[in-house]
Amino acid sequence: DAKTTQPNSMESNEEEPVHLPCNHSTISGTDYIHWYRQLPSQGPEYVIHGLTSNVNNRMASLAIAEDRKSSTLILHRATLRDAAVYYCIPEGGFKTIFGAGTRLFVKA
Amino acid sequence: EPEVTQTPSHQVTQMGQEVILRCVPISNHLYFYWYRQILGQKVEFLVSFYNNEISEKSEIFDDQFSVERPDGSNFTLKIRSTKLEDSAMYFCASSEWDSGNNEQFFGPGTRLTVL
Repeated sequence: DAKTTQPNSMESNEEEPVHLPCNHSTISGTDYIHWYRQLPSQGPEYVIHGLTSNVNNRMASLAIAEDRKSSTLILHRATLRDAAVYYCIPEGGFKTIFGAGTRLFVKA
Repeated sequence: EPEVTQTPSHQVTQMGQEVILRCVPISNHLYFYWYRQILGQKVEFLVSFYNNEISEKSEIFDDQFSVERPDGSNFTLKIRSTKLEDSAMYFCASSEWDSGNNEQFFGPGTRLTVL
């Protein structure tokens, strides 16, 4: 299982962009990079995933380094509702290993 | 929007008792998962299930645990003889295809308290 390194916590102001980094230098060539988040007292929630190319969806953007050893989740305009723990997960299928994630604090 | 549901939301049991946690995955999904989260700790993978078989399981998922899809809609996690350390939130998830290139949809969880 690939190891990931994420900051323990980050802080953002409301309405500002947030860049959440993740290092996954031991990722295998076939693993997708998934991001999930967990709001307080809720189950994890899918955010975005990608393999090599950058990806955008209605929630966020995912920028993947060319060597795939790191990625960055971008929230374009943080809201108070985005305060959560964000998990970066290399995922090969059938077995999803959550790390400690990054706790994002959003200030009004 | 379709969602994964779990029952009960909270289960209290005595140590040594059997518990069954129930999940209804999204109807057209083929892959099913159980996770647990001890209070204040990270989410831990327990087991994945496809085509009526376990695909992967973690070291936590020992002989005390079993999973079943008893009918076309439910997916259950059974703990045969609960221990105090089984107290946790248990999350069920499902995905349309395997979780490599697909998103998992998580349920709201069942809080299990073992006394």
